[in-house]
Amino acid sequence: KNEVEQSPQNLTAQEGEFITINCSYSVGISALHWLQQHPGGGIVSLFMLSSGKKKHGRLIATINIQEKHSSLHITASHPRDSAVYICAVIISGSRLTFGEGTQLTVNP
Amino acid sequence: DGGITQSPKYLFRKEGQNVTLSCEQNLNHDAMYWYRQDPGQGLRLIYYSQIVNDFQKGDIAEGYSVSREKKESFPLTVTSAQKNPTAFYLCASSPSGAPTEAFFGQGTRLTVV
Repeated sequence: KNEVEQSPQNLTAQEGEFITINCSYSVGISALHWLQQHPGGGIVSLFMLSSGKKKHGRLIATINIQEKHSSLHITASHPRDSAVYICAVIISGSRLTFGEGTQLTVNP
Repeated sequence: DGGITQSPKYLFRKEGQNVTLSCEQNLNHDAMYWYRQDPGQGLRLIYYSQIVNDFQKGDIAEGYSVSREKKESFPLTVTSAQKNPTAFYLCASSPSGAPTEAFFGQGTRLTVV
């Protein structure tokens, strides 16, 4: 079993829909990253969270440390949001452990 | 602009040849990392370095080698001992040993034929 599990693996939405991607982890962590990977392959860090909630534009990330769970929300989704969204946690020291990613497709 | 540069973006090699992937950063970061990404799997750590002239094996280091002679550079060599080298390789850096911020390169897609 992976230490980091994401759901769903694939998600298709219509433009304008509210989207939620979930991340659960099984061990104690010091922080959690949400990353975005576009078809070209490059990865961009969206958020780093250790508690609570962060918002940037139409993106909102929340984390519940007690429940070992984080969610990434996208409001008013747009086709340009289509990408792979990856959850990564810092379990010990300097190493990131990654989820398998969620492939999001937003149709116009 | 500060960032991480990986080159080349696409690389083709014949089986049995060693190949070196370049990763350069101008962010003045201490720590650098190499990850491998395969379809349907999360990124897996190959090697990482927290300081110049020092590096540690990650989870899948067999068949790979690295060097860290300069702070800015962390090249990865895929050797002929790597059984299945065709993959997408990502380099990352962070300001210190704890990746409170993570910066990634654009990746190199290696195909061995």
